[in-house]
Amino acid sequence: KAGVTQTPRYLIKTRGQQVTLSCSPISGHRSVSWYQQTPGQGLQFLFEYFSETQRNKGNFPGRFSGRQFSNSRSEMNVSTLELGDSALYLCASSLNPPGLNTEAFFGQGTRLTVV
Amino acid sequence: EDKVVQSPLSLVVHEGDTVTLNCSYEVTNFRSLLWYKQEKKAPTFLFMLTSSGIEKKSGRLSSILDKKELFSILNITATQTGDSAVYLCAVEAGNNDMRFGAGTRLTVKP
Repeated sequence: KAGVTQTPRYLIKTRGQQVTLSCSPISGHRSVSWYQQTPGQGLQFLFEYFSETQRNKGNFPGRFSGRQFSNSRSEMNVSTLELGDSALYLCASSLNPPGLNTEAFFGQGTRLTVV
Repeated sequence: EDKVVQSPLSLVVHEGDTVTLNCSYEVTNFRSLLWYKQEKKAPTFLFMLTSSGIEKKSGRLSSILDKKELFSILNITATQTGDSAVYLCAVEAGNNDMRFGAGTRLTVKP
């Protein structure tokens, strides 16, 4: 079956712009989590959605937001981009929400560069 | 504050060596600990550990959890160049948060 699909793969934006990233989970999976990966900080949790509800949010400013649709696809939005937002954004899907001992599958990520 | 600490941060070995990667944690209401292998971009799942003392094994990789001392180790025996990657440790906490360590970068030389 198809894996987790993230689009676009690469993105270049200028400071102050906003960006929307998309994640299509594995068919049948209802949980989608987003992570930011930077060289210095490793993987950091952004938020997690299950059945269209945000269940948990990491320690990121309000410029980072997301949503999940009825077909489990999820989008992440970052407004007023800053240089420090340049990172690899990873999406993970799982059958059940984290915390229920479920394996997560990661997408290939979206490489966002803010100039 | 919840935290996950991995050590060492980087490791260089030769093929055939055995390595042990460490992950210690302090989280509220621990639920599970996960190990991932990250090559290039997306991490791949290795193990999920929830109970102390029960070793999980997959080929040359094995892992065990100690919930009393709050740590886990990931062992790789007879290392190969294909094992070169960043190994990530993540802990699921009771508030549904997931904390990642900074990772251990393993380099296996021929």
